[in-house]
Amino acid sequence: GESVGLHLPTLSVQEGDNSIINCAYSNSASDYFIWYKQESGKGPQFIIDIRSNMDKRQGQRVTVLLNKTVKHLSLQIAATQPGDSAVYFCAENMGVAAGNKLTFGGGTRVLVKP
Amino acid sequence: GAGVSQSPSNKVTEKGKDVELRCDPISGHTALYWYRQSLGQGLEFLIYFQGNSAPDKSGLPSDRFSAERTGGSVSTLTIQRTQQEDSAVYLCASSLTDQRGFPLHFGNGTRLTVT
Repeated sequence: GESVGLHLPTLSVQEGDNSIINCAYSNSASDYFIWYKQESGKGPQFIIDIRSNMDKRQGQRVTVLLNKTVKHLSLQIAATQPGDSAVYFCAENMGVAAGNKLTFGGGTRVLVKP
Repeated sequence: GAGVSQSPSNKVTEKGKDVELRCDPISGHTALYWYRQSLGQGLEFLIYFQGNSAPDKSGLPSDRFSAERTGGSVSTLTIQRTQQEDSAVYLCASSLTDQRGFPLHFGNGTRLTVT
């Protein structure tokens, strides 16, 4: 989920289980969304994106779901592995009126337990 | 196939000093962004360059912050008279274009510590 303040929400997952990370976005005009993964000491790394004309997109072990009615985005990670431990951010493209800027959510920390 | 390169990776400075942070975007990328990330927090937009257009400076927190992009490639973010609250990781990202549907590619950031 989203966070405010200093403490990131944390999702603890058993290795091998599926993870679901949620994100609420703010702008109904946003039409492009991205999930990023950030490991300690590194910049965010692109995982998967989705355009607003789709409600689901699959990658390798990851699926992004988009519900425009409630402005909700989720990232599902199948068979979570220790290497999936990181902070995950969703980002929305705010549209032409906002110069196509990407605005990021507060992030969710995923901890994979062996 | 280099990615986005930022330097220095770490910078410690005394309060009141000026600092310059450098970003080398991916070759051919026309859009360049600076974000700031405080410890344990999300990414705060600072400034955005696209080609020869005037930059979007709407995220700069004060007039102590400025950035330039020379020749449509390398960018420098300058913070004058640094304050302790400027301590953060400064991330640069580039994109092939500013059009929707193209993700940003990030560097590993410069960790700035103001003492």
